[in-house]
Amino acid sequence: TQLLEQSPQFLSIQEGENLTVYCNSSSVFSSLQWYRQEPGEGPVLLVTVVTGGEVKKLKRLTFQFGDARKDVSLHITAAQPGDTGLYLCAGERVDSGGGADGLTFGKGTHLIIQP
Amino acid sequence: DSGVTQTPKHLITATGQRVTLRCSPRSGDLSVYWYQQSLDQGLQFLIQYYNGEERAKGNILERFSAQQFPDLHSELNLSSLELGDSALYFCASSVGGQGLYEQYFGPGTRLTVT
Repeated sequence: TQLLEQSPQFLSIQEGENLTVYCNSSSVFSSLQWYRQEPGEGPVLLVTVVTGGEVKKLKRLTFQFGDARKDVSLHITAAQPGDTGLYLCAGERVDSGGGADGLTFGKGTHLIIQP
Repeated sequence: DSGVTQTPKHLITATGQRVTLRCSPRSGDLSVYWYQQSLDQGLQFLIQYYNGEERAKGNILERFSAQQFPDLHSELNLSSLELGDSALYFCASSVGGQGLYEQYFGPGTRLTVT
């Protein structure tokens, strides 16, 4: 059983469209993060959310942490081909003893933006 | 460029063999984390070292071991390799060892076991 469930697994849309990807869990997380990974490279951190209900914006990307700290969403406005990549959510569980378990990752959403 | 370096970039070896993967953290970072990424399991945490000491263990097999040296570089040793060990192995580093610290990932080592 995957602790962090991401949906959808695959998403292919046209340039200029909006999209939202989701990351859900039955566990409470002290923080959740979104990473973006391109082929042949390591994941790169996009954002960390810490407070339940928190919304963060990074240019065309909007991240929202659920009130109960069990889920986080990523919304992209006017998607561009450069947004193509694997989007991974990751978290530090509340019962992890302050990060002692390392990060827990979802399996990722493969996003393709067609020109 | 995250500042984390990993060598080698690619490694092809046979079942039953032993390999060593190397990681140099970002300058100033004391923690090193090892992760395994496969198509079916996704990115899985293996082990963490902080300033030379083991800090946390994840889903690391007994055939695998790691260490962090006084200069803070780390090595992941994989022995008695099986076909299922074929995966991308990432190293990440962070400045702290506990709590919320941003982890910076290296480019990974792609291991193929034939």
